Amino acid sequence: DARVTQTPRDKVTEMGQEVTMRCQPILGHNTVFWYRQTMMQGLELLAYFRNRAPLDDSGMPKDRFSAEMPDATLATLKIQPSEPRDSAVYFCASGLGTGVADTQYFGPGTRLTVL
Amino acid sequence: LAKTTQPISMDSYEGQEVNITCSHNNIATNDYITWYQQFPSQGPRFIIQGYKTKVTNEVASLFIPADRKSSTLSLPRVSLSDTAVYYCLVGDRDSSYKLIFGSGTRLLVRP
Repeated sequence: DARVTQTPRDKVTEMGQEVTMRCQPILGHNTVFWYRQTMMQGLELLAYFRNRAPLDDSGMPKDRFSAEMPDATLATLKIQPSEPRDSAVYFCASGLGTGVADTQYFGPGTRLTVL
Repeated sequence: LAKTTQPISMDSYEGQEVNITCSHNNIATNDYITWYQQFPSQGPRFIIQGYKTKVTNEVASLFIPADRKSSTLSLPRVSLSDTAVYYCLVGDRDSSYKLIFGSGTRLLVRP
């Protein structure tokens, strides 16, 4: 049963520290999404890639967030420096298609707490 | 930019049919409308997807009118395990890459 995996599952860090979250998409999927979810804002799309190229990163604070796909099996989301307001659950999802609203398969998420 | 509107919450009882409507103007004309279900501490999970008219699978039906300005997720005979948050997802008409998630409808199924 193919699944999206995310590491770490939980991360507690102090303000100002760098945080790197990793995602392994389902093998063969060509689209990878990064989301952030909080109680106040709900589910927000940060960025997504298709065939490793960024298609939309307008939801991501550019000054401190960066997203990359070093290869087809790994996507990373980095926050530097982290701030308490970045505390949230970060989800990665992957899909296979050419449309925007094609089916996405979500990972279990990384719960980030910035103190 | 496309905008979606869903009811914040809905209550139901076991065995009833539940219909959740998402209004979405300015959506992409050539892309799917997709619905997801999310349980606490889990990522959203795909339920159903459609382009127009009616789609049915083993868990739900999706009704989409001809103008595609709304879609209705129908859950037949809900059970306690259907208590979750339900999201609609659409693409934006003016940007081929913009993706819009609804704010979610919290469904509570009571015994």
